[in-house]
Amino acid sequence: DAKTTQPTSMDCAEGRAANLPCNHSTISGNEYVYWYRQIHSQGPQYIIHGLKNNETNEMASLIITEDRKSSTLILPHATLRDTAVYYCIVRSDDYKLSFGAGTTVTVRA
Amino acid sequence: KAGVTQTPRYLIKTRGQQVTLSCSPISGHRSVSWYQQTPGQGLQFLFEYFSETQRNKGNFPGRFSGRQFSNSRSEMNVSTLELGDSALYLCASSLGSKTGELFFGEGSRLTVL
Repeated sequence: DAKTTQPTSMDCAEGRAANLPCNHSTISGNEYVYWYRQIHSQGPQYIIHGLKNNETNEMASLIITEDRKSSTLILPHATLRDTAVYYCIVRSDDYKLSFGAGTTVTVRA
Repeated sequence: KAGVTQTPRYLIKTRGQQVTLSCSPISGHRSVSWYQQTPGQGLQFLFEYFSETQRNKGNFPGRFSGRQFSNSRSEMNVSTLELGDSALYLCASSLGSKTGELFFGEGSRLTVL
């Protein structure tokens, strides 16, 4: 699986948009970009995924660059409950997820 | 619908013992994956089962094994427990496609003394 690089941590103000970057420069053509998050002591929660096009759902938006070497997860209006570790994962077609260290996001009031 | 259910949620064992963890996937899901989470190694893939067959396996010793039943419920077993096996063991279920989202349970926290 292609490796990803994420900042170790970031802070965000409540009510503001949180933009989480992820680099995946070795991504191959058939690999998807997935985002999960893990709130302390809970199982990871699926957020969104995409291949080439930008994606949006009720939780977040995913912006993938044209060359697919990086992406950004956008939480439009961060709340305190969005405080979590966010994992950017490049997934190939082998039924598993390879988690990195993720970004610890702290939303502050 | 009900989510992924893992039992037990917490357990304490001693070195040398063995442990069995159970996972009930979301109804209709035929794939079950297992992951180990430790502070030092993070989340690591153990294995994945689909329709009672292991399709993929991570880099763990043979002491770690699993199986899936005809109703898609899965168990994983760790034999001859070591202190380093202390971890949160997470189960995830999915429909089984290569790109389908995984739904995780709350995990079973194992402490080995």
